[in-house]
Amino acid sequence: KAGVTQTPRYLIKTRGQQVTLSCSPISGHRSVSWYQQTPGQGLQFLFEYFSETQRNKGNFPGRFSGRQFSNSRSEMNVSTLELGDSALYLCASSDTSGNTIYFGEGSWLTVV
Amino acid sequence: GESVGLHLPTLSVQEGDNSIINCAYSNSASDYFIWYKQESGKGPQFIIDIRSNMDKRQGQRVTVLLNKTVKHLSLQIAATQPGDSAVYFCAENSGGGADGLTFGKGTHLIIQP
Repeated sequence: KAGVTQTPRYLIKTRGQQVTLSCSPISGHRSVSWYQQTPGQGLQFLFEYFSETQRNKGNFPGRFSGRQFSNSRSEMNVSTLELGDSALYLCASSDTSGNTIYFGEGSWLTVV
Repeated sequence: GESVGLHLPTLSVQEGDNSIINCAYSNSASDYFIWYKQESGKGPQFIIDIRSNMDKRQGQRVTVLLNKTVKHLSLQIAATQPGDSAVYFCAENSGGGADGLTFGKGTHLIIQP
């Protein structure tokens, strides 16, 4: 069974640009959540989607958004990039019950 | 302050010894706890989890202990191997998945030969 797959793995963007990251959850998992990891703030929850609906959102500005498709695949978007958005963005999936949450390898975003 | 934290940022152990990584949490409503291992350049890897109705759970070479009285969680790794070198995070989930995991800062486990 394939794990959580994230693309792209690495990318470099310029301040002011926008970026879209993609996540394919484990087959059969309907819950997809996103996290930001930085050396200073650690792992922080961004938002969680279930059946194409955002169920919860962390404490991030509106520049961070996401969506989920009918096949449970998810994308997150960051608009008007700032230097501080440089981070590892992690996607995680879990089954309907919310049990055991599995992470992908992440997308490394560098904003210059 | 953060809800979940680890006592030590770095733990150095001899290969073959047992390792104990500790974590304190503050949300008494948390009902599910997970330990993750993160190697350099990779995403967090699930190790073991425990629900609040349990005190202990064992996996392969790993044991998680939960003390709800003092809100303390620990991960024990038996016969530590070089491949165990990583950053270990404890995480709590009080919302059944919907509210997201709250992570501690992590403990970097270093294995001495």
